[in-house]
Amino acid sequence: QVQLQESGPGLVKPSQTLSLTCSVSGDSISSGDYYWSWIRQSPGKGLEWIGYIYYSGSTYYNPSLKSRVIISVDTSKNQFSLQLSSVTAADTAVYYCARDRDGYSNFDSWGQGTLVTVSS
Amino acid sequence: QSALTQSASVSGSPGQSITISCTGTKSDIGGYNYVSWYQQHPGKAPKLMIYEVSNRPSGVSYRFSGSKSGNTASLSISGLQAEDEADYYCSSYSRSSTVVFGGGTKLTVL
Repeated sequence: QVQLQESGPGLVKPSQTLSLTCSVSGDSISSGDYYWSWIRQSPGKGLEWIGYIYYSGSTYYNPSLKSRVIISVDTSKNQFSLQLSSVTAADTAVYYCARDRDGYSNFDSWGQGTLVTVSS
Repeated sequence: QSALTQSASVSGSPGQSITISCTGTKSDIGGYNYVSWYQQHPGKAPKLMIYEVSNRPSGVSYRFSGSKSGNTASLSISGLQAEDEADYYCSSYSRSSTVVFGGGTKLTVL
């Protein structure tokens, strides 16, 4: 059974870069069977798709965040990562990593989520 | 890319049936049969309940069903149980290989 675990700083200063890593166990990112996504949820708000990556390195981003987002993959560590630059308080959210069955918004496995607060 | 539109809340009594709707455009829901539904309990990660409009993942109760007509998708829950009380989100594949979520619907079991 696949498990995903987010890790990274829980506090980031405004204008800095938010960096998170998702470690995957029970499945191999390099199998090519899935897409690997980042999704966030601001406190008390709905879900927002950030983007996803395929094992080959192909990426797809939310147009509203595209200028600030980089998603990368390290198949040797079975991890994928999120970098979000120039953060503001509006980027405060619980960040989830998730597995997408086929790249068509079928997120069948999720990490537990990690709260990132943007504050000085 | 705008969020899909969901009603803010819906309620029902145990044993009853309810339906949650999710409205998009021809660029997302209306253009593809890739609508998913997620259940989220407070403080927990979302759980996939329906994918590709009407398919249930293994382990999801038959009481949950999905459908689509034009630009609107629907999630129906029959035989409401207390444990169904949660937030429900729809999502859809959208043009240019992107994904859009709905704003969420809070289901209250009276």
